[in-house]
Amino acid sequence: EVQLVESGGGLVQPGGSLRLSCAASGFTFNSYWMSWVRQAPGKGLEWVASIQQEGGEEYYVDSVKGRFTISRDTAKKSAYLQMNSLRAEDTAMYFCARSKGGEIGAFDHWGQGALVTVSS
Amino acid sequence: DIVMTQTPLSSPVTLGQPASISCRSSQSLVHSDGNTYLSWLQQRPGQPPRLLIYKVSNRFSGVPDRFSGSGAGTDFTLKISRVEAEDVGVYYCMQATQFPLSFGGGTKVEIK
Repeated sequence: EVQLVESGGGLVQPGGSLRLSCAASGFTFNSYWMSWVRQAPGKGLEWVASIQQEGGEEYYVDSVKGRFTISRDTAKKSAYLQMNSLRAEDTAMYFCARSKGGEIGAFDHWGQGALVTVSS
Repeated sequence: DIVMTQTPLSSPVTLGQPASISCRSSQSLVHSDGNTYLSWLQQRPGQPPRLLIYKVSNRFSGVPDRFSGSGAGTDFTLKISRVEAEDVGVYYCMQATQFPLSFGGGTKVEIK
C-alpha cells in the first residue's frame, strides 16, 4: 500500500525557517516524481514545487523561488521541502504528493498534510 | 503561465441527479508528447485531495464509474451521472502539461 506521511510542520515567526519531510512507503521511491502542494485556510490548492526522479530537475512556483528548496533522499525514501524566509502568506496545509507513473502528469497519492503557521 | 478556470463555483444537486463541472484552460493542454495532462481531484471535508480522473478521461483505480471526464484542447468536463451523498466536497481540475502546474479554483458540490 502506498503511503506518504508528512512531518515537520508547526508555528514559526516571519523570516524563520522550517523543513518539511515526506516519508514514502509501499512503492519504488526513485521511480516517481514527488511534489508539494499547499492549501491556505479556506482556500484552494496551490502547487508549490516538484522534483524529478533521482538526480532530476526541480521546479517551483514563482512565489517561493529563492526561498524554498525541494529535495529527495532515495536511501531514506523521503522528500523534503526546506522553507526559508517564511512569510505570513506561506501559512497553509502542505501536502506531499506522488505522480502517477514515470511522468509528472497527475498526483495519484497524497499525504494527510503538515500545517505550517507563520505568525509573530 | 496556464490559468485554469472552473465553473460553477457551487453546484447544489439532488441525490440521484447528475452534476457537471466545467474547466477551461488559458491555453491548449496538449503536451509535445501528444498527451493532455488534465486531471480531476475530489477533496472531501477535512481530507486530502483524491485523484479521480487523469489524462482527461481515464478513471483512476477504485473510482466509481459514475465519474467520467471528457474534453480536449482547452475545454474539459467532469460529470457525475448520479450524485451520492459521499460525493459532497470540492472538485478541482489540474494541468500538468506545463510548469508552473496549476489548479482550477474549485467547485463545491453539495446536496440540495
